[in-house]
Amino acid sequence: GNSVTQMEGPVTLSEEAFLTINCTYTATGYPSLFWYVQYPGEGLQLLLKATKADDKGSNKGFEATYRKETTSFHLEKGSVQVSDSAVYFCALSPQGAQKLVFGQGTRLTINP
Amino acid sequence: NAGVTQTPKFQVLKTGQSMTLQCAQDMNHNSMYWYRQDPGMGLRLIYYSASEGTTDKGEVPNGYNVSRLNKREFSLRLESAAPSQTSVYFCASSEGRTPTTQYFGPGTRLTVL
Repeated sequence: GNSVTQMEGPVTLSEEAFLTINCTYTATGYPSLFWYVQYPGEGLQLLLKATKADDKGSNKGFEATYRKETTSFHLEKGSVQVSDSAVYFCALSPQGAQKLVFGQGTRLTINP
Repeated sequence: NAGVTQTPKFQVLKTGQSMTLQCAQDMNHNSMYWYRQDPGMGLRLIYYSASEGTTDKGEVPNGYNVSRLNKREFSLRLESAAPSQTSVYFCASSEGRTPTTQYFGPGTRLTVL
C-alpha cells in the first residue's frame, strides 16, 4: 500500500541553523509528493510539491527533491528563523488519485 | 476570498450525542475532503467527495456520515459520538485534477466525554 514515514520529532534548533527533516515513502507507480506546514492553531498550508522524479520543489527558502531511487523527499532549509516553528507534514498523492496520504508530522521549534 | 471555512471551531459532546460539522469553500473546487488529526498519526482521510453528488469512504469512515449539499458545502455527521472520536477535524478542497493540491480549513476541535 501507500505510506509515508517522517523523521521523529520534536526537533529543536537555534535560529540560522541548517534544517533537514527526513521523509521516505512507499507507493506504486509515480506518486506526487508534498510538504505541508501547520502553524499553531491553524489548518495545513501547502509549502511545496514535486510531481515527478528529480523535480525540486521550493518555497520560502525551503527545498525538497523527489528522489525515486531512494524513495525520499527530504525537506531542507539553509537558515531557519523563529517564524519557521510549526509542524511539518510530508504527504504523497498516488498516481492518478486525488487522495493524500500523510506522514505523522514533525514538530519544529526554533529558538532565538 | 475566505477559502475553506469550518464551523464550529470547538465543540464538547457527551457520549451518544450527535452533531454535524459544517464546511464550505468559495474557490469553485470540485473535490472536498474530511480528515481527522490525532497526535502522532498525521491526518487520516474519513470521507471525500470527488464531485458534487458523489461521496466515497476514506481510511477511517466508521461512525461518520457525510453529505455533499452542493458544490460549496460538505458536512460531516457523527450520529452517536464516542470518546474515540475526540480529535481535530479538518475539511479540505481541491480542483479535482491530479495531482491534487488540497486547501485546508482551520479545523474543528471536538472532545467527546
